[in-house]
Amino acid sequence: AQSVTQLGSHVSVSEGALVLLRCNYSSSVPPYLFWYVQYPNQGLQLLLKYTTGATLVKGINGFEAEFKKSETSFHLTKPSAHMSDAAEYFCAVSESGGSYIPTFGRGTSLIVHP
Amino acid sequence: SAVISQKPSRDICQRGTSLTIQCQVDSQVTMMFWYRQQPGQSLTLIATANQGSEATYESGFVIDKFPISRPNLTFSTLTVSNMSPEDSSIYLCSAVTGNSYEQYFGPGTRLTVT
Repeated sequence: AQSVTQLGSHVSVSEGALVLLRCNYSSSVPPYLFWYVQYPNQGLQLLLKYTTGATLVKGINGFEAEFKKSETSFHLTKPSAHMSDAAEYFCAVSESGGSYIPTFGRGTSLIVHP
Repeated sequence: SAVISQKPSRDICQRGTSLTIQCQVDSQVTMMFWYRQQPGQSLTLIATANQGSEATYESGFVIDKFPISRPNLTFSTLTVSNMSPEDSSIYLCSAVTGNSYEQYFGPGTRLTVT
C-alpha cells in the first residue's frame, strides 16, 4: 500500500521568493511520483513526474522536484514565485508495475503575495 | 497525451433529482476514472469506468447511487442519483493512455444540490 503526506495545507510566499512544497511518500515498491497543479475552477494538470532515471526532474512553468529515496521525499521547488503560481498543488504516488490508480496527497494551497 | 472535456461544467439541482455528467476524450485511452473533490479537499476516487462492463467502485460508493457507463474507449458518463446536499461537489473525469501512469483530467463539473 502507498501513502502520501503533504506538509502544510497552505504555503505563503512573496513574489520572487523561493517556493518549496513538501511531499513524503511510502511505497512497498519503487514509486512513480507526480506533482499536479489545480488552478481555480479548473481540473488538475500534470506539472512533472518521476518514473526512472535522473532523480531531479524538471516540469512546466519553472518547477522542479527531486526524488530522494533515502528520505522518501519528492519536494517541489521553484526559484522565484510568480503571482500566476497561486494554485492548489497535489503530490501523488503510484507503485511501478502496480495499479494505474495513484494515491493523492491532501494538497497544498500556494499563496503568492505581491 | 489526451484532452478531456466534461459536460455540464456546472449545475444547480434540486434534491431527489439525478444528473448525468458526460466525459469525452479526444483519443482512445486505456482507463477512465471518476473522482469527487469536495471544497478545499483532495480527490476521492469513485470508480474505474470499464469499457463494456460494470464499473469498479471504491469503498463507500455504490452503483445504485453513482451508475457509470463506458460504451467505448473515448466516452464515459457518471450519474449522480437521488441527490442530496451532501452530493454537492466537483466531479472530475480522468484518463490514462497506453502504459503511462500519468493521468489526464477534465475541467470538472461543479454540482450544487439545494
